[in-house]
Amino acid sequence: SQKIEQNSEALNIQEGKTATLTCNYTNYSPAYLQWYRQDPGRGPVFLLLIRENEKEKRKERLKVTFDTTLKQSLFHITASQPADSATYLCALEERNNRLAFGKGNQVVVIP
Amino acid sequence: NAGVTQTPKFQVLKTGQSMTLQCAQDMNHEYMSWYRQDPGMGLRLIHYSVGAGITDQGEVPNGYNVSRSTTEDFPLRLLSAAPSQTSVYFCASSYRGWDYGYTFGSGTRLTVV
Repeated sequence: SQKIEQNSEALNIQEGKTATLTCNYTNYSPAYLQWYRQDPGRGPVFLLLIRENEKEKRKERLKVTFDTTLKQSLFHITASQPADSATYLCALEERNNRLAFGKGNQVVVIP
Repeated sequence: NAGVTQTPKFQVLKTGQSMTLQCAQDMNHEYMSWYRQDPGMGLRLIHYSVGAGITDQGEVPNGYNVSRSTTEDFPLRLLSAAPSQTSVYFCASSYRGWDYGYTFGSGTRLTVV
């Protein structure tokens, strides 16, 4: 069966450090991999998209890597701030235009 | 520019009632989707559309109907509400272009009693 796996345990990290989240998938052939941020009671907000033929993408303090051989993406927040505290969702889009989400990984940045 | 607008924000239904969750976007996005989000289950795709007149089923379509008569609107119909449909529903839209993700609405919290 198809699975998108993210760590269910919250990541507690000291302010200023780099937070790293992992997204692993099985039985998908994604054309795109996306990362979203979700705050309590709100809809997800798009952060970054990386294509299957790209290895790395950066946007300000965010960096995403994509390894289609390992079937894994890493999401990094550098110089983390308390305002970065949220749940981060990994999503895969296959060529049939269906976007499937992982369950998310909570990040708590401690001042 | 309102983005993705969902109405209502909250709704309580009795088992067996029907209703329509409204979703409208003003960004001329081709793609629109409906998700439900339940604790511990993450976001699950109900139905999606790649353009006006075209819809397809997602992961959990049973009990829900959709139509896409215009680019802007993508309503979700609950035919006969069941307690298992208690959830938060999100509508999302996207333009198929470079580095373009989905824009989500603020959600509809539905309780079926």
